[in-house]
Amino acid sequence: AQKITQTQPGMFVQEKEAVTLDCTYDTSDQSYGLFWYKQPSSGEMIFLIYQGSYDEQNATEGRYSLNFQKARKSANLVISASQLGDSAMYFCAMRANQAGTALIFGKGTTLSVSS
Amino acid sequence: DTGVSQDPRHKITKRGQNVTFRCDPISEHNRLYWYRQTLGQGPEFLTYFQNEAQLEKSRLLSDRFSAERPKGSFSTLEIQRTEQGDSAMYLCASSPTTNEQFFGPGTRLTVL
Repeated sequence: AQKITQTQPGMFVQEKEAVTLDCTYDTSDQSYGLFWYKQPSSGEMIFLIYQGSYDEQNATEGRYSLNFQKARKSANLVISASQLGDSAMYFCAMRANQAGTALIFGKGTTLSVSS
Repeated sequence: DTGVSQDPRHKITKRGQNVTFRCDPISEHNRLYWYRQTLGQGPEFLTYFQNEAQLEKSRLLSDRFSAERPKGSFSTLEIQRTEQGDSAMYLCASSPTTNEQFFGPGTRLTVL
């Protein structure tokens, strides 16, 4: 069965510091994709970053990078130089069906950035 | 604005009533998804369309739920005989490929 596990219900960080949000996944598929989304209090899900299972390099998008460790089945999100606007819920998700349908989400991590 | 739009943003209804939500995807996206998100949880997949064809439905989509995407453009999600357990955020997403999905702002349903 496909599953995403996010073990940190909440994380606290100060502005300008880096923070790592953990995500582990379980799938028997060889081809899959891993995603991170941000959900502010307004409710909209904002796409942050994507990593394909065959990608050799870790994905990066601005201040976001994905630390992909395939053998450990982990896909941690690293946010560098945190900003107050980064305070939100963060979800890790996986697409493990080659037809590319459903995303399977974890329960999320609430990130709070303080000044 | 060229993002995914959903209407209404909020809906309050009484138990037993029918409700219908609309989703307008990004215009060039042929894939459309519906998810449901309850408080403190991640979104859960409900159903998927490629163009006008409904290709996948979750077990969560009971007989009271029906979704359509006529002409492969906008989609509607109808819930018949609503129950209090249907209270949730209903999210629509669209995608041009099998990679990232772009989400709308959601419709928050409250069943009294």
